[in-house]
Amino acid sequence: AQSVAQPEDQVKVAEGNPLTVKCTYSVSGNPYLFWYVQYPNRGLQFLLKYITGDNLVKGSYGFEAEFNKSQTSFHLKKPSALVSDSALYFCAVRDEGATNKLIFGTGTLLAVQP
Amino acid sequence: GAVVSQHPSRVICKSGTSVKIECRSLDFQATTMFWYRQFPKQSLMLMATSNEGSKATYEQGVEKDKFLINHASLTLSTLTVTSAHPEDSSFYICSARDRLGAAASEAFFGQGTRLTVV
Repeated sequence: AQSVAQPEDQVKVAEGNPLTVKCTYSVSGNPYLFWYVQYPNRGLQFLLKYITGDNLVKGSYGFEAEFNKSQTSFHLKKPSALVSDSALYFCAVRDEGATNKLIFGTGTLLAVQP
Repeated sequence: GAVVSQHPSRVICKSGTSVKIECRSLDFQATTMFWYRQFPKQSLMLMATSNEGSKATYEQGVEKDKFLINHASLTLSTLTVTSAHPEDSSFYICSARDRLGAAASEAFFGQGTRLTVV
């Protein structure tokens, strides 16, 4: 069965420093991977996705993610963190079944400190 | 990007009453919508998959009679929490994908509904 894991419940970085939010996946076929961000009491906003092609995917708000097949990882990155990036981040993989539902990781709370 | 509108954003109801939550795709059609529940500081738990014109598919452990789902059109799905109890208090989120989108297209999410049962 497909799954994603986010090993860190929380990540703290200083404003201006690079940030990384980790995600590893487990699928039987080719993965469709996604990153979403959630601000307090709000729904999820799409950041970026990997389907095929370049391993480095660029998304919204300056975020990017690197797909690494050998390490089965899809870490989210940003070169210079902003305080406004503080939020809950979810990695997800598309289920290979008929419904194409998303399977989410447990989420990582990013705190960017001024 | 595409917009999914969820209403209401916040509702407080008395124990024993029913609450209906609406999820609308505003600029696309969705044959399938998804309903999630999220507990504080936790991930999203898929409750059910809503299918236009047919019965919803519920995840294991989710009571069908408790959480009624109706997907009457390609742009609207509703979740009704029947005979609500305080333990049903939670954050409910819907999502939808464009039926004309590619298989790899992303899902779009509503703003969420904070349900408090008192």
